[in-house]
Amino acid sequence: DIQMTQSPSSLSASVGDRVTISCRASQSISTYFSWFQQKPGKAPKLLIHSASNLQSGVPSRFSGSGSGTDFALTISGLQPEDFAIYYCQQSYSTPWTFGQGTKVEIK
Amino acid sequence: QVQLQESGPRLVKPSETLALTCTVSGDSISDYYWSWIRQPPGEGLEWIGHMHYSGSSNYNHSLKNRVTISVDTSKNQFSLKLSSVTAADTAVYYCARIYTRVCPGCPYYFDEWGQGALVTVSS
Repeated sequence: DIQMTQSPSSLSASVGDRVTISCRASQSISTYFSWFQQKPGKAPKLLIHSASNLQSGVPSRFSGSGSGTDFALTISGLQPEDFAIYYCQQSYSTPWTFGQGTKVEIK
Repeated sequence: QVQLQESGPRLVKPSETLALTCTVSGDSISDYYWSWIRQPPGEGLEWIGHMHYSGSSNYNHSLKNRVTISVDTSKNQFSLKLSSVTAADTAVYYCARIYTRVCPGCPYYFDEWGQGALVTVSS
C-alpha cells in the first residue's frame, strides 16, 4: 500500500498568514493526488485535484503543487473559515489512501 | 447540483452485517464511479471501495473480503454491505462520487460527498 505522510500534524497560525502543508507519498504517484478540507461534523471538501488543479468554487488563495512523491498545499492569506483539518489522498493505485491529516488552528 | 444522502441502520450488533444505501439526486448514477469511505471517531479517512454501474469494482483488501458494493440504476442508488462487524467498524460512513473521464492517464478524484452516517457497532 502507498503510505501518505503529512507534515506538520498540526500548526497554529494567524489570520492573514501564508501556510504550507506538505504530503509525501511512499512511492511515486505522478499527479494522482488530491487535497481535502474537513470541518467538525462535516464531510471532507475537495480543494485541489490532480496535484495542482483548483476545484471549481474553491477560493484562489488555495494552491497545490508537486508531482511524484512530494506535494504541498499553500493557503495564501489564511481566513477565519480556513481553520480546519486538511487531508491529502492518492488515487494512483488501490487501496487509495489518505494522509493522517493536518489540523490548522488559530494562534 | 448533485446531492448524495446516506441511509440505513445506525446501530448494528457485533457479528452482524452493516448495510447502508446512498441515494444520488441531480445526476445519473450511470455516468460515474461511486465510492464508500469511512472515518472512525476522531481518526482519519479510510477508502472502503468503489464501483461502476457496469459492475467493475475495487475493494480495500484490509477489509478482508467482508465488503460488497452494489449499484441499483433503477433507483439511482448504490449500497454498502460490511459483514461480521466488530467495534472497530464503528465510524462515520461517507458515500462519494468519483470524477473521471475514463481515459488513459486521466485522473480520479472524490468530487462530491454525502453528509455521512455514524454507524455504531454495539450489542
